[in-house]
Amino acid sequence: EDQVTQSPEALRLQEGESSSLNCSYTVSGLRGLFWYRQDPGKGPEFLFTLYSAGEEKEKERLKATLTKKESFLHITAPKPEDSATYLCAGACTAGNNRKLIWGLGTSLAVNP
Amino acid sequence: DAMVIQNPRYQVTQFGKPVTLSCSQTLNHNVMYWYQQKSSQAPKLLFHYYDKDFNNEADTPDNFQSRRPNTSFCFLDIRSPGLGDTAMYLCATSPPGQGTDTQYFGPGTRLTVL
Repeated sequence: EDQVTQSPEALRLQEGESSSLNCSYTVSGLRGLFWYRQDPGKGPEFLFTLYSAGEEKEKERLKATLTKKESFLHITAPKPEDSATYLCAGACTAGNNRKLIWGLGTSLAVNP
Repeated sequence: DAMVIQNPRYQVTQFGKPVTLSCSQTLNHNVMYWYQQKSSQAPKLLFHYYDKDFNNEADTPDNFQSRRPNTSFCFLDIRSPGLGDTAMYLCATSPPGQGTDTQYFGPGTRLTVL
């Protein structure tokens, strides 16, 4: 069964304290691994797409990496405005349909 | 700016009273999705359109219907809302083509059923 698991469920950091969020996946025929940020009461905001093992992408303090079994979202020197839920999803194809298999997210709180 | 717009942002309805949520997009994407997201849960796909081709998820209740009159607009109709339908409803769009599965989400409509 296709599955995406994120850890930890919740993470509290001090401002400037770097850390990593994990997304492990078992998605057959993976067509991409996606990271989104979701603020309370809002829709997910697209961050990154990774397509192949070894790929890395960066945006400001965030860096996403992908291996054959998992993806990491590294947060360097986080700021309070980085507080949000970070969602990971794997894309698979079922026939002509594209579908995202979602993890439950990591809720990140960055204290000033 | 090109974007995905959802209206209303907040909707309160009574048990059993039909409700319609709307989504519009200026991205000219041909794929549109409707998701339901309950508190602290991942988004759950209800259905999606590839152009006018409608694709319903197997576990989407019959109570949920959708219409897509043109490329830009898509509607979610809940015919007889129950208390369990209280949730955030998210619309997303995606461009066509291989390797371009990125979905772009609207701000959501928070539905409360009383």
